[in-house]
Amino acid sequence: DQQVKQNSPSLSVQEGRISILNCDYTNSMFDYFLWYKKYPAEGPTFLISISSIKDKNEDGRFTVFLNKSAKHLSLHIVPSQPGDSAVYFCQKVVRFGAGTRLTVKP
Amino acid sequence: EAGVAQSPRYKIIEKRQSVAFWCNPISGHATLYWYQQILGQGPKLLIQFQNNGVVDDSQLPKDRFSAERLKGVDSTLKIQPAKLEDSAVYLCASSLVTGGRETQYFGPGTRLLVL
Repeated sequence: DQQVKQNSPSLSVQEGRISILNCDYTNSMFDYFLWYKKYPAEGPTFLISISSIKDKNEDGRFTVFLNKSAKHLSLHIVPSQPGDSAVYFCQKVVRFGAGTRLTVKP
Repeated sequence: EAGVAQSPRYKIIEKRQSVAFWCNPISGHATLYWYQQILGQGPKLLIQFQNNGVVDDSQLPKDRFSAERLKGVDSTLKIQPAKLEDSAVYLCASSLVTGGRETQYFGPGTRLLVL
């Protein structure tokens, strides 16, 4: 059962622009979602989370939006920086999406 | 605060050989996870411990994989015998619950190549 899906394996954006990474989920029994960021040869690190009691959670340049009716969440990075280039995973409990590789070009 | 430690970082073995990975979680974290991450995929849970008890091992291939968490702290994951398809990064994570919400902290992973 694939409870968490990230349908875009890669995304490329220009420095300073907005990056939008998407995640869809099934089985809305669980109400807490997390985004992790992973650099090569390192383990994933926690980035930002959102609970279903909220539609939006913001932390600096990172904002996560939750659309419960569509069972969809998105991570916005504004402005994008070259150091944001990494693989981003969304997580629900212990289920991870396949990840989206973000490349931010200078 | 020290992070999650894993060793070795890299391991190359031949199929049918045995291998073991070690994880030392963050001090005070009761929950420990082992994940398998195959190239191009997200981490897949193998086993979850709460202290030294198993919470979920439903996706652990028990015919060849085993894991234990001695005294509720360090953990080892063993593969015996290894198959080619076991080539992956094995991630260990421990978690902290704050305000009823859990955040996992990952180690750097062990990259296994089975030839």
